[in-house]
Amino acid sequence: SYVLTQPPSVSVAPGKTARITCGGNNIGSKSVHWYQQKPGQAPVLVIYYDSDRPSGIPERFSGSNSGNTATLTISRVEAGDEADYYCQVWDSSSDHQVFGGGTKLTVL
Amino acid sequence: EVQLVESGGGLVQPGGSLKLSCAASGFTFSGSAMHWVRQASGKGLEWVGRIRSKANSYATAYAASVKGRFTISRDDSKNTAYLQMNSLKTEDTAVYYCTRHVGDASGDGFVDYWGQGTLVTVSS
Repeated sequence: SYVLTQPPSVSVAPGKTARITCGGNNIGSKSVHWYQQKPGQAPVLVIYYDSDRPSGIPERFSGSNSGNTATLTISRVEAGDEADYYCQVWDSSSDHQVFGGGTKLTVL
Repeated sequence: EVQLVESGGGLVQPGGSLKLSCAASGFTFSGSAMHWVRQASGKGLEWVGRIRSKANSYATAYAASVKGRFTISRDDSKNTAYLQMNSLKTEDTAVYYCTRHVGDASGDGFVDYWGQGTLVTVSS
């Protein structure tokens, strides 16, 4: 089965740029989606199809995908961005949705 | 406004059964594939399974961890999706979310709306 690998944690100072990676075999050939989850809340979609933003998501959130790594980039990080972030793809060989293990973003 | 409301969670003994419901509103439910995703306390998101629309033959798919024990169904006349869980194990303890699929007929895509989740606890 397809596996997505995320770093367990990323720390960044307010106003700086956070980059959260999602690794997978030839992930660049797949569409990657990203979700933000704050404590006690359901996840929220922040990036879909590698780099598209849903309405209401700040332009500070962006995504890219190439080779074996997809990246969620959060510019000018704010305290309110502190959350868990998950990447997700569809594995066509198994017809399964696959989530990465999640990355806890800490704003210092 | 899109709303997904799960119900049916609770405490069940190992080996028991439970049926979750997901009441949908604010969109054309019959045309949407629906997924169930779960999250154990302090853990990450785990995809449970999916059911496609009538146009795609109500096709289902399940994670290996639940295949053969869980069944997803839907009643388009009631705008409701279901997750029947049998032979429950302690490791099935989690919050279960109902989600709406957005994507193409092949299955590629993402989920854009999530319910609030319902807690299932499997314990003796």
